[in-house]
Amino acid sequence: GESVGLHLPTLSVQEGDNSIINCAYSNSASDYFIWYKQESGKGPQFIIDIRSNMDKRQGQRVTVLLNKTVKHLSLQIAATQPGDSAVYFCAENSSGSRLTFGEGTQLTVNP
Amino acid sequence: DGGITQSPKYLFRKEGQNVTLSCEQNLNHDAMYWYRQDPGQGLRLIYYSQIVNDFQKGDIAEGYSVSREKKESFPLTVTSAQKNPTAFYLCASSIQGKGEKLFFGSGTQLSVL
Repeated sequence: GESVGLHLPTLSVQEGDNSIINCAYSNSASDYFIWYKQESGKGPQFIIDIRSNMDKRQGQRVTVLLNKTVKHLSLQIAATQPGDSAVYFCAENSSGSRLTFGEGTQLTVNP
Repeated sequence: DGGITQSPKYLFRKEGQNVTLSCEQNLNHDAMYWYRQDPGQGLRLIYYSQIVNDFQKGDIAEGYSVSREKKESFPLTVTSAQKNPTAFYLCASSIQGKGEKLFFGSGTQLSVL
């Protein structure tokens, strides 16, 4: 079946640096993508989303980039802070009625 | 505040026992979902419901049951047939159930005694 996966399971950065979290997807028909942040013992929180008719979307300190040619999605976090430490999940709308989630990347921000 | 409320936060199950996890939303969303999350893993869909009195199996429905008698409520029962129930359970809702943004509850950690 179709799947969403991540290039790296863990990412460690220094406070103040920029972080880039990557995600590969395999369903070329997916038209909606979303990033969530999950802190330990809590439910996932929405960060940012993007539709397939866009290549880039910016939020507050975050940017999502979509490369449909190579089926790649990335989340960029500017000036990473200790509070950004969490697991980040990407998800795609591959079936029309549900989201398919990737395995997640654990981001650790070192002070 | 509008949102999704899951209860309890922690739940313990004895061998052979059925337990029910509660999920309530006041967002007026049509669709509701249950996911299971194992340590260090992603989210796997158990059941979802796009409308009252209707629900569909997800990827790992065996050993679980649900009901959707009210729009606001989508309880999940973990039956004795689920041999490995220890996990973090997440409930979510969305406006229409057409693959759009999900709003998640805070989760229930289920453990076996």
